[in-house]
Amino acid sequence: DTAVSQTPKYLVTQMGNDKSIKCEQNLGHDTMYWYKQDSKKFLKIMFSYNNKELIINETVPNRFSPKSPDKAHLNLHINSLELGDSAVYFCASSQYRATDTQYFGPGTRLTVL
Amino acid sequence: AQSVTQPDIHITVSEGASLELRCNYSYGATPYLFWYVQSPGQGLQLLLKYFSGDTLVQGIKGFEAEFKRSQSSFNLRKPSVHWSDAAEYFCAVGNRGNMLTFGGGTRLMVKP
Repeated sequence: DTAVSQTPKYLVTQMGNDKSIKCEQNLGHDTMYWYKQDSKKFLKIMFSYNNKELIINETVPNRFSPKSPDKAHLNLHINSLELGDSAVYFCASSQYRATDTQYFGPGTRLTVL
Repeated sequence: AQSVTQPDIHITVSEGASLELRCNYSYGATPYLFWYVQSPGQGLQLLLKYFSGDTLVQGIKGFEAEFKRSQSSFNLRKPSVHWSDAAEYFCAVGNRGNMLTFGGGTRLMVKP
């Protein structure tokens, strides 16, 4: 059973397009996250949702809009894609306790041409 | 603000040799510390974590880490490295808001 799944695994698109990445977790967690990993492997949090409510929103362009239809899903929509958006995007989930482990999905590699 | 430094970008060790990956953190309160491993093309998997108690923490795959408050360090160790340990290793510090801040990672290569 896949704990945290993301679709698609690879996404290649042109500058200016709009795209979405979906994330689902079957761990029963109440908190989900989006991270961005750049080409140098640097990993940074973008957003976090707890019980469908936004709790972390780092300095991310407003072209990025997360949506959480329920506790098990957190989707990421990106408008007007730019070259600099090329990265690997990871979804993660955990219980809302600082000591709790965050479980990561396999990642979505986004390439903007 | 919290931050993590992993001073070694690349480390190469021979199979069977011991390993130590360095991690230094900056955080105003008692830190929650994590080590994750990322194999090529994969997501991150937790190796171990520290949030209180014994400062020597045991993890999966034979890894351990020691929290040293005086040195603001949380170094990862393994007594004998296997070829399958070749991967990227990330140290992270967490706060009470569940926000993880990662270090830049250390790529481990294992020589046969």
